[in-house]
Amino acid sequence: EAGVTQFPSHSVIEKGQTVTLRCDPISGHDNLYWYRRVMGKEIKFLLHFVKESKQDESGMPNNRFLAERTGGTYSTLKVQPAELEDSGVYFCASSTGSGTPSATQYFGPGTRLTVL
Amino acid sequence: RKEVEQDPGPFNVPEGATVAFNCTYSNSASQSFFWYRQDCRKEPKLLMSVYSSGNEDGRFTAQLNRASQYISLLIRDSKLSDSATYLCVVIGGSYIPTFGRGTSLIVHP
Repeated sequence: EAGVTQFPSHSVIEKGQTVTLRCDPISGHDNLYWYRRVMGKEIKFLLHFVKESKQDESGMPNNRFLAERTGGTYSTLKVQPAELEDSGVYFCASSTGSGTPSATQYFGPGTRLTVL
Repeated sequence: RKEVEQDPGPFNVPEGATVAFNCTYSNSASQSFFWYRQDCRKEPKLLMSVYSSGNEDGRFTAQLNRASQYISLLIRDSKLSDSATYLCVVIGGSYIPTFGRGTSLIVHP
């Protein structure tokens, strides 16, 4: 069974540019999560989709970040315009069930974003 | 006070040693607890869930102390392959996972 995949694995952009990250969850997983790890800090929750609906987006830093999950399959996270502090590793995770706390989350390999 | 705190380490132990990590959490309403393992520049992977009664998986034992608001991970007979960062994850009433910064373990020959 294929795991969670993310694209690209690395992205280097200049401040002010736009970047779109993609996450393909494990097939059949209704729950999809985005996280970010800034260097030296802990992994932080960004948002949670249940199918195509945003269940919780309380962790999104500001309105420069836009996440979508059309059709309830893959998800994109767009940063526009990117700022220096957006640099970090963006992880996606998926899980089965209705998003209950006990459901195991499977993480993708992450996208390492560097904003210059 | 951070929501989830871990000693960053590194814990440097010889093969065969027993090592224990603690993780404290601030939200008394927290419901679910996990230990994840993260290898260098890789994604986190679930090591084990932590149940109220404590649970064991081979060389790994996890415990939860709700009164003192901490969870622990005990690794017996350490292997070189156990070298990694161990992340404590706590899920509260809002269902949002909160990660600790991780504890680094280095097992040497």
